[in-house]
Amino acid sequence: EDQVTQSPEALRLQEGESSSLNCSYTVSGLRGLFWYRQDPGKGPEFLFTLYSAGEEKEKERLKATLTKKESFLHITAPKPEDSATYLCAVEGGGADGLTFGKGTHLIIQP
Amino acid sequence: DGGITQSPKYLFRKEGQNVTLSCEQNLNHDAMYWYRQDPGQGLRLIYYSQIVNDFQKGDIAEGYSVSREKKESFPLTVTSAQKNPTAFYLCASSRQGKSYEQYFGPGTRLTVT
Repeated sequence: EDQVTQSPEALRLQEGESSSLNCSYTVSGLRGLFWYRQDPGKGPEFLFTLYSAGEEKEKERLKATLTKKESFLHITAPKPEDSATYLCAVEGGGADGLTFGKGTHLIIQP
Repeated sequence: DGGITQSPKYLFRKEGQNVTLSCEQNLNHDAMYWYRQDPGQGLRLIYYSQIVNDFQKGDIAEGYSVSREKKESFPLTVTSAQKNPTAFYLCASSRQGKSYEQYFGPGTRLTVT
């Protein structure tokens, strides 16, 4: 059974204070690891897909990295508009559909 | 603009009533999915469909039913057999096959009293 654990559950940062969110996973044959951003009351917004260990992807202030056991979402010099819940999900070689973690609720204070 | 639409945004029903949630996409995606989101929990897969006229149960299919008569549409019926139907329901779509990212609709918040 695929499992995803995200930490911390919640994170409060000052504007400009860089940090990282963690996503640990166990999966039978990783097909892809996905990061999403979700604002309150809205559907998740796709950010990144990572396929193999060592891969990195960047978008504005966000950078996602992948190892064989975990992924990190690095946030550099965040702004208040980066406040959201960040979701990590994996797709394994077995079942269809994604297995999601519970998310990290990120608050950036001005 | 291509995307996924879900309607209505909010839905209220009395216990014992069936209710159908709409999901439409114009992304030309073959695969469509239904997830449920509860506070403090990750999204959980209810049903998915890789192709028209075919669908598969996800992890929590009991009390739900779906149909896939058109490529663009994947409605979800929450039946009276679902013990805890109050939740945020999310529809998603993707290209067919493994490893493609899923794109989500705005969600429907269902409240059953």
